[in-house]
Amino acid sequence: EAGVAQSPRYKIIEKRQSVAFWCNPISGHATLYWYQQILGQGPKLLIQFQNNGVVDDSQLPKDRFSAERLKGVDSTLKIQPAKLEDSAVYLCASSGGLETQYFGPGTRLLVL
Amino acid sequence: LAKTTQPISMDSYEGQEVNITCSHNNIATNDYITWYQQFPSQGPRFIIQGYKTKVTNEVASLFIPADRKSSTLSLPRVSLSDTAVYYCLVGDRMGYGGATNKLIFGTGTLLAVQP
Repeated sequence: EAGVAQSPRYKIIEKRQSVAFWCNPISGHATLYWYQQILGQGPKLLIQFQNNGVVDDSQLPKDRFSAERLKGVDSTLKIQPAKLEDSAVYLCASSGGLETQYFGPGTRLLVL
Repeated sequence: LAKTTQPISMDSYEGQEVNITCSHNNIATNDYITWYQQFPSQGPRFIIQGYKTKVTNEVASLFIPADRKSSTLSLPRVSLSDTAVYYCLVGDRMGYGGATNKLIFGTGTLLAVQP
């Protein structure tokens, strides 16, 4: 079974630029999550989708972050404009329901 | 959601059994206890989950006392490759009360296994 795929793996941008991350969950998984993990901390949930609907986006900085999952499969997370403090690893995870979450390898973002 | 407390770091040697204890004093009736493992440059990986007493799988055991206010992850005969950060999480797996399987990660326990 293929795991959660994410791209790109690494991204370096300057502050105030825009960036987008892509996630392809495990086939058949209805729930998709985006996490932000700052160095030395545990992952923090940014947004959770159930199919193509948002279940929880209470910790998403909506003034600069946006995410979509239009067809209930792939998802993109966008930051516009980026700030220095957005430097982190962005993890995507999926689950088949209220059970184990499977994480992708993450995208490491560095904002200069 | 219950908050968890676990040691920041632990040291061990190859071949030893390692026990990592997590405190979750405010655990709710519907909460399950889940442990994840994370290696550098990788996403967290599910290790084990339990509700009460003892759960064992091919990689670890999870001990949960009757009051469920703490839990202990036991890794038998660790090797160098077990060096990682281990996260203890509690959450409503079953979705009662509209729960969404939201995971709240703490800082985890960095386990360093030495030869």
